[in-house]
Amino acid sequence: GAGVSQTPSNKVTEKGKYVELRCDPISGHTALYWYRQSLGQGPEFLIYFQGTGAADDSGLPNDRFFAVRPEGSVSTLKIQRTERGDSAVYLCASSLRRGEQFFGPGTRLTVL
Amino acid sequence: AQKITQTQPGMFVQEKEAVTLDCTYDTSDPSYGLFWYKQPSSGEMIFLIYQGSYDQQNATEGRYSLNFQKARKSANLVISASQLGDSAMYFCAMREGTGYSTLTFGKGTMLLVSP
Repeated sequence: GAGVSQTPSNKVTEKGKYVELRCDPISGHTALYWYRQSLGQGPEFLIYFQGTGAADDSGLPNDRFFAVRPEGSVSTLKIQRTERGDSAVYLCASSLRRGEQFFGPGTRLTVL
Repeated sequence: AQKITQTQPGMFVQEKEAVTLDCTYDTSDPSYGLFWYKQPSSGEMIFLIYQGSYDQQNATEGRYSLNFQKARKSANLVISASQLGDSAMYFCAMREGTGYSTLTFGKGTMLLVSP
């Protein structure tokens, strides 16, 4: 079956611009997670959804970051006024039970 | 304090040999899960193996096994009979608690398998 998909695979933007990153989880998975992976590091948690609501957004670095999942499936991570330090790979994962999380291929964001 | 520590930035192994990747963890929650993921150069995170804190036996999945030593808070990954395709970054991760919760990852170990 189809895995987690993320679009775009690469995004280059200029400092100060707004970006949206999309995640399409595995069908039926109720839990959806966003992580950010900087070069040479492991993924770091950003936000987690259970259904439509954000169950835990404690990992969002500041109020420029926001995520939604309006229908309990697709999620969009939104970054306002991008900064060079936001450059990273943004990973999305989904899970059905509290077992393993299945990751998407990631979106590589570059802020110039 | 770091919750997941992977002390080996890089490891080298020859094809067909076994290799152990180290992972220690820190938690006060009696219920937790430990995971290993593989990240090849393509970037996707591939789930390898899972060990629950209450599991009595070490987890195994094909050529992967997890050497779980609860008292020492270690969860080392053992790859037997290494293959060239095993060359990748390997991440140890922990989930705390009994419900859905996020994963905390270590910094990873780069494994290079030579012919």
